[in-house]
Amino acid sequence: GAGVSQSPSNKVTEKGKDVELRCDPISGHTALYWYRQSLGQGLEFLIYFQGNSAPDKSGLPSDRFSAERTGGSVSTLTIQRTQQEDSAVYLCASRPDRTNTGELFFGEGSRLTVL
Amino acid sequence: GDSVTQMEGPVTLSEEAFLTINCTYTATGYPSLFWYVQYPGEGLQLLLKATKADDKGSNKGFEATYRKETTSFHLEKGSVQVSDSAVYFCALGRGNKLVFGAGTILRVKS
Repeated sequence: GAGVSQSPSNKVTEKGKDVELRCDPISGHTALYWYRQSLGQGLEFLIYFQGNSAPDKSGLPSDRFSAERTGGSVSTLTIQRTQQEDSAVYLCASRPDRTNTGELFFGEGSRLTVL
Repeated sequence: GDSVTQMEGPVTLSEEAFLTINCTYTATGYPSLFWYVQYPGEGLQLLLKATKADDKGSNKGFEATYRKETTSFHLEKGSVQVSDSAVYFCALGRGNKLVFGAGTILRVKS
């Protein structure tokens, strides 16, 4: 497909379980972002990958959250020992260049519900 | 740190009404400013942008002007349609990050 693809679209899990969320960015896009969208709040930056550079992890809320990007393409966001406050929509976006004037292309998100 | 504040919603308008969604920002330096829109069941997409003071971004009848003196980037449209019903996000870009506002729900009634 031509757009950013995320899976699963919906995930319901029990508190304490680990979850993995996947993002397939647009082919050729070097920058990849993860954001979290909680009800009534804006998009919260989580992590940023740019090419082969070390990722900017400054937005990860705790050490239960981690992300990797293999081969400069697909990215996986992992949440360990999930808590109810982790319930949110996790959005992935990609961008073709380094500049801050570039457009971000978003996926439709993965909705996580922690019971 | 950088932040974006936008008016709370939901905003409910009748078709053909004038729309304003207020957005103000706090940032050092000269960020780029954006409006993104999220239609029901879809991902966020860029609506318009402005990269320097006094620039006006426009798209699909929407406009916003980068006002450095008031640190604002208000979104306007002269005549809204039912199809404009969506969530609108104001954002600023500086460095590698985009910082988003909380979003404003717009509902347009026919």
